[in-house]
Amino acid sequence: QKEVEQDPGPLSVPEGAIVSLNCTYSNSAFQYFMWYRQYSRKGPELLMYTYSSGNKEDGRFTAQVDKSSKYISLFIRDSQPSDSATYLCAMNVISGTYKYIFGTGTRLKVLA
Amino acid sequence: GAVVSQHPSWVICKSGTSVKIECRSLDFQATTMFWYRQFPKQSLMLMATSNEGSKATYEQGVEKDKFLINHASLTLSTLTVTSAHPEDSSFYICSARDRSRGTYEQYFGPGTRLTVT
Repeated sequence: QKEVEQDPGPLSVPEGAIVSLNCTYSNSAFQYFMWYRQYSRKGPELLMYTYSSGNKEDGRFTAQVDKSSKYISLFIRDSQPSDSATYLCAMNVISGTYKYIFGTGTRLKVLA
Repeated sequence: GAVVSQHPSWVICKSGTSVKIECRSLDFQATTMFWYRQFPKQSLMLMATSNEGSKATYEQGVEKDKFLINHASLTLSTLTVTSAHPEDSSFYICSARDRSRGTYEQYFGPGTRLTVT
């Protein structure tokens, strides 16, 4: 079993839809959770990060963490064609290594 | 702030030659830099972690003699792919941690696409 599981998609939605992206994990020691957006042939760009269970909102993006279920989500409201990208979740055990474990990424396509 | 650059962005080399990729933190000092490899439609796989002034720590299955990492300063790390083969063709991405922030975010470079012919 992988430490972090993420549905690779692809996920196609119409413009304006609410998008839900999810990751599950098995290591209860993970404490720091990130969502990255990666456009084709580019480096990942940090979208959201959170330390604790609950919701965190930033513009059209909401990150949700449920540590009891080992489940994290990223919601995108009013999705735009420019949101079409691969979304990667990443997790970290807060320790000396600062090493991230990434999900496989979900490819999202927002149709105009 | 927190900009990371990589050079070159794209390189083609012949099998058996060596290629050096640079990763620079442009506006911050990076205590730790990370090197990842990403194959098409796959996620980022950590290859190694490098700390300024010390030897890199390689992930299991990554040949340290083939992928030489040098982190000579707080703003520069290099990855040298020695005796490259076609199977080394991939997208190599570095990231850096900003020592001044005291947090865990990694800032990623734009990546280097390596094609070995």
